[in-house]
Amino acid sequence: QKEVEQDPGPLSVPEGAIVSLNCTYSNSAFQYFMWYRQYSRKGPELLMYTYSSGNKEDGRFTAQVDKSSKYISLFIRDSQPSDSATYLCAMSRNSGGSNYKLTFGKGTLLTVNP
Amino acid sequence: DGGITQSPKYLFRKEGQNVTLSCEQNLNHDAMYWYRQDPGQGLRLIYYSQIVNDFQKGDIAEGYSVSREKKESFPLTVTSAQKNPTAFYLCASSKRQVSYEQYFGPGTRLTVT
Repeated sequence: QKEVEQDPGPLSVPEGAIVSLNCTYSNSAFQYFMWYRQYSRKGPELLMYTYSSGNKEDGRFTAQVDKSSKYISLFIRDSQPSDSATYLCAMSRNSGGSNYKLTFGKGTLLTVNP
Repeated sequence: DGGITQSPKYLFRKEGQNVTLSCEQNLNHDAMYWYRQDPGQGLRLIYYSQIVNDFQKGDIAEGYSVSREKKESFPLTVTSAQKNPTAFYLCASSKRQVSYEQYFGPGTRLTVT
């Protein structure tokens, strides 16, 4: 079983739809949960991070972590064509320091159609 | 403007040749990373460095080498020993204690024929 599983999609939605992106993981030691957005042929950029369980909201984006189920989600409300990108989940045991490692999912390709 | 630069954007090499990919940052970050991205594979860690003159192997270090002589620079050499070097290479940096917030460069697409 891979440490982090993410459905690669592709996922295609109409403009204005609510998008749900998800990852599951197997390592219960993960404490930090991140979502990165990557536009085509560009480097990823950090969208949101969450520490431990709970919800975090930033504008149209909401990140949820359910550690009991080892399941994380990213919701995008009122999706826009500019949201079309690959979304990568990432996780780590700690925030940094020696031997730090960020484990990425494979990414989900999202297309928002006007 | 602060950020990470990678050069060149596209690189073509013949099989059997070593090639060095450049990565420079002016964010004053201690930690730097090299990832490889293949279609359907996500990002895989090649090497990382938490401080100048120190670096560690990541998950797929075989056939690669790095150096960290300056805080701002972390070049990656893809050697002829790397069996499948064609890929998209991404460099990133972060503060040492906030390593979940990594800033990525624009990437270098290497094609070896």
